[in-house]
Amino acid sequence: DAGVIQSPRHEVTEMGQEVTLRCKPISGHDYLFWYRQTMMRGLELLIYFNNNVPIDDSGMPEDRFSAKMPNASFSTLKIQPSEPRDSAVYFCASSRQGRGGEQFFGPGTRLTVL
Amino acid sequence: AQSVTQLGSHVSVSEGALVLLRCNYSSSVPPYLFWYVQYPNQGLQLLLKYTTGATLVKGINGFEAEFKKSETSFHLTKPSAHMSDAAEYFCAVSDTSGGGADGLTFGKGTHLIIQP
Repeated sequence: DAGVIQSPRHEVTEMGQEVTLRCKPISGHDYLFWYRQTMMRGLELLIYFNNNVPIDDSGMPEDRFSAKMPNASFSTLKIQPSEPRDSAVYFCASSRQGRGGEQFFGPGTRLTVL
Repeated sequence: AQSVTQLGSHVSVSEGALVLLRCNYSSSVPPYLFWYVQYPNQGLQLLLKYTTGATLVKGINGFEAEFKKSETSFHLTKPSAHMSDAAEYFCAVSDTSGGGADGLTFGKGTHLIIQP
């Protein structure tokens, strides 16, 4: 298996632009998680899905952030409009089970908003 | 609400020495506990986890951790450090209560430095 795939690996954009991050989970994994990593706040859970349905989006910082999972093999995290404080590494992870299950992380997307 | 505290943002040990990375958690009920490792410019990889059963858990690369409920701790150890162990280590918890969420709450991480 190729593992969790994220694209792009690096994204540099200007403030106010729309940014879309993409994730392909491991086949057969029913859970998909989006995390954000910054120096100041560490790793934070943004949102997660179970069987393509958003379960908990309480970590999404603002209405500028949205996430979708149209099918079992694809998810997007969109920021519109982007701001410099959104600069971070965004990780996608997938898992066969919820609590207690091992989460497999993708390599991350490093986002820089100028 | 759960929280995780990792004591020491940086830990430096000599090659061959004992590695000890500390993790304490705060939770209304004992959570599931995890240690993940992150190498530069990579995602996180699971080292080990505790859910139920034996409180001493063995993981990959010679690491182990012991769940101590009375101390609300889950410290990570390795008897002999290797240069390849240099990385960022994260302790994390997951809710075990019926209505809880499935995501992980992470500590701030400990950067492990191995001195030759």
